[in-house]
Amino acid sequence: SQTIHQWPATLVQPVGSPLSLECTVEGTSNPNLYWYRQAAGRGLQLLFYSVGIGQISSEVPQNLSASRPQDRQFILSSKKLLLSDSGFYLCAWIKGLGGTDTQYFGPGTRLTVL
Amino acid sequence: RKEVEQDPGPFNVPEGATVAFNCTYSNSASQSFFWYRQDCRKEPKLLMSVYSSGNEDGRFTAQLNRASQYISLLIRDSKLSDSATYLCVVNKGGSYIPTFGRGTSLIVHP
Repeated sequence: SQTIHQWPATLVQPVGSPLSLECTVEGTSNPNLYWYRQAAGRGLQLLFYSVGIGQISSEVPQNLSASRPQDRQFILSSKKLLLSDSGFYLCAWIKGLGGTDTQYFGPGTRLTVL
Repeated sequence: RKEVEQDPGPFNVPEGATVAFNCTYSNSASQSFFWYRQDCRKEPKLLMSVYSSGNEDGRFTAQLNRASQYISLLIRDSKLSDSATYLCVVNKGGSYIPTFGRGTSLIVHP
């Protein structure tokens, strides 16, 4: 069976500090991977998605970046956090080509920028 | 018009009640439809896919109306544990970029 991991679960960071969130998927190969942000009381905002190693598409301009160094690893980064970066960050995967388009989410990272 | 629209609620119902949510979508090329459930401060979890002929899973029934471009979720015999936000998700044919509604909040009280 497939599982998706995210860490850390919670993070408190000062404004201007760097950020690195990691997501890994087990039990599948060549998944589509996604980063979402959910601000308090708001809907899901798609930040980045990736269809393969090194292939990143950005949905919104911002001070965040994403990388996919390995097939089942997706990393969200920032060089300098802003207050507005606070939120619930969710990684998700879809089997993609040849599979269903059902999306599964990791447990999320709750980020507070002070 | 937003791509996927849901009434944010909250829907406040007593235990045992039947409650229904609707979700409208704007892209007629949409092919895949889902309902997810999100508990407070947790990740969304798949509740059920929505098939053209409609489908049922226990107390939950999902239906699709392509002509009017909406999907619905019916919950019968509501339980306290059904309290959550229900997210409508639509995927365009050939796309693996789902579009999420903002969610409908359900509160089931004793």
